[in-house]
Amino acid sequence: SQKIEQNSEALNIQEGKTATLTCNYTNYSPAYLQWYRQDPGRGPVFLLLIRENEKEKRKERLKVTFDTTLKQSLFHITASQPADSATYLCALGDGGFKTIFGAGTRLFVKA
Amino acid sequence: DVKVTQSSRYLVKRTGEKVFLECVQDMDHENMFWYRQDPGLGLRLIYFSYDVKMKEKGDIPEGYSVSREKKERFSLILESASTNQTSMYLCASFQYFGAGTRLSVL
Repeated sequence: SQKIEQNSEALNIQEGKTATLTCNYTNYSPAYLQWYRQDPGRGPVFLLLIRENEKEKRKERLKVTFDTTLKQSLFHITASQPADSATYLCALGDGGFKTIFGAGTRLFVKA
Repeated sequence: DVKVTQSSRYLVKRTGEKVFLECVQDMDHENMFWYRQDPGLGLRLIYFSYDVKMKEKGDIPEGYSVSREKKERFSLILESASTNQTSMYLCASFQYFGAGTRLSVL
């Protein structure tokens, strides 16, 4: 069955460092991959979308890579700040109506 | 600014009650979705709609129904609430999500 795996362990980093989150998937051929941010008790907020034919995408301090051979995406936040502390969700879409989501990785950035 | 609004942030209901969760979007989108989110499981799709009066089952539709009478409004209905439907419910229109409704069924 289709599966998305994100590290269930929280990631703790120091302010100013680069945070790197991983998303792996199996039994799926995505047309695109998305990353969302979710704060406690709130709905997810869309951050970035990267298509299957793109290897890398950047937006301000965010960078996403997408390797369809390895079936993996890496999500980087450079110069991290305590305000970046949240849960980050990875999601895959096949170009149709459905999107499947990972369970998310919690990021803590310490001042 | 894009907006998806869910009518309630928190709800407490009794087992067996009929529960309505309302969602309104202001983007004139055709597609709308209902998910539930439980710890460690990620978001799971309950139902989606791609047009007025059109609906499709998602991955976990049992115990739920939906209504889409107008393009901007998509309602999730729990016909007879059960304790295993205690969860966070999220409405979405494309990649835009509402703030969520935390439902507790006692």
